[in-house]
Amino acid sequence: AQSVSQHNHHVILSEAASLELGCNYSYGGTVNLFWYVQYPGQHLQLLLKYFSGDPLVKGIKGFEAEFIKSKFSFNLRKPSVQWSDTAEYFCAVLLFSNKLIFGTGTRLQVFP
Amino acid sequence: ETGVTQTPRHLVMGMTNKKSLKCEQHLGHNAMYWYKQSAKKPLELMFVYSLEERVENNSVPSRFSPECPNSSHLFLHLHTLQPEDSALYLCASSQDTAYEQYFGPGTRLTVT
Repeated sequence: AQSVSQHNHHVILSEAASLELGCNYSYGGTVNLFWYVQYPGQHLQLLLKYFSGDPLVKGIKGFEAEFIKSKFSFNLRKPSVQWSDTAEYFCAVLLFSNKLIFGTGTRLQVFP
Repeated sequence: ETGVTQTPRHLVMGMTNKKSLKCEQHLGHNAMYWYKQSAKKPLELMFVYSLEERVENNSVPSRFSPECPNSSHLFLHLHTLQPEDSALYLCASSQDTAYEQYFGPGTRLTVT
């Protein structure tokens, strides 16, 4: 069955540290890829997306993600995190069947 | 600020009650979705509507009954629920099923 894995369940960083959150998916066909963020008490928001073209995509708030097709991965990065980045981050994969599958999420805590 | 609104935000119901969740999108989208978000589990897709027709029913029990009267509104009718149905129910919309989805704030449902 198709699935999305986020291996980091809880990440704790200090401000200005670099961030990389892993996302791997199991599906051999064409996919569209997304990262969503859920700030405390807020709704899910789209952070960035990949449909085609340059595999390095840039999103809002300084986030970027790289699609590596050979590794079935779409890792999220930010060179320097801020306290306001404290949130839960979800990787999602849109299959050719137009079904969106989510990972279990990674909770990020950033301390000043 | 979100283009997808959901009411009520919180709902407590007994196992014999009948209630409905409402979702409205103000984005001019053609596809709408219901998801279930439970603790420590990935978001689970429940139903997909495209142009007011149901295109996906992800093996959801019949005690959940969706309704899409027009492209802006989506309902989830609930009856004879079980305590394990307690969760956050999220509505989303997208331009069509191949595009990124925009989420509402969710309805926190507790079944007693």
